[in-house]
Amino acid sequence: AQSVTQLDSQVPVFEEAPVELRCNYSSSVSVYLFWYVQYPNQGLQLLLKYLSGSTLVKGINGFEAEFNKSQTSFHLRKPSVHISDTAEYFCAVSEDSNYQLIWGAGTKLIIKP
Amino acid sequence: EAQVTQNPRYLITVTGKKLTVTCSQNMNHEYMSWYRQDPGLGLRQIYYSMNVEVTDKGDVPEGYKVSRKEKRNFPLILESPSPNQTSLYFCASSFHRLNSPLHFGNGTRLTVT
Repeated sequence: AQSVTQLDSQVPVFEEAPVELRCNYSSSVSVYLFWYVQYPNQGLQLLLKYLSGSTLVKGINGFEAEFNKSQTSFHLRKPSVHISDTAEYFCAVSEDSNYQLIWGAGTKLIIKP
Repeated sequence: EAQVTQNPRYLITVTGKKLTVTCSQNMNHEYMSWYRQDPGLGLRQIYYSMNVEVTDKGDVPEGYKVSRKEKRNFPLILESPSPNQTSLYFCASSFHRLNSPLHFGNGTRLTVT
C-alpha cells in the first residue's frame, strides 16, 4: 500500500447513534487490512482485521468493517456507540508483496452525551 | 499475561543527554518495532527487528539506535536527544510481519528540553 487515508480527523456523534469511520488505501496488489483502537493514555489494540475470505469482518466491542476491493476501502462501522467508545481509531494496511505496514493518520471518535 | 512492557512511561530530559527506553515482550514474538506518534501524523516507524541480531530502519530512523540481543528485548536508544524527538513512543511486537496483528506497549511520553 502506498498510502492510507482516513478521511476524517475527528468524528463527533451522539451516544447511541450509528457511526462510520472511513479508510481508503492505494494499492494494486493483495492487502491485509487492520483497524486498531487507542483509548486515552493507552497503547493501541487490535479492533479487527481482514486477511481473506468474507469481506464483512466483525471485531470487538460491536464494531465491524467491510472490505471493498473495487473502491479500495475498509470503512469501520458501529450501529450504536457508547461513551466508552471515545478513542482514536487507526486504519493500517500491509501488502502481500512487501513487508511494510502503512498507517492512516487516525480518526478521533468523540461521543456527545 | 501476554504483554509488551515499556519503561519508563514518562521521561523528561535535556538536549544531548543519552537515554534508553526499554521494551520487553513475553510472547516469544520474532518481530518487534518502535513507533513514534505525533499529532496529525499518526504512527511513524522508527526501527524494526525481524529476529535476534536482525534490525532495520523504518521511516524515521535518524537520531535513534536499537539493538536486539535477546528475543524478548528491543531497547530504543537516543544517543543525543533533541527537542524534535519530543513525542509519544510505542513498542510493538508480533509473530509475523505481514498478517499478524501487532501487540503494543502502553507508550513512553518523552519530553526533550
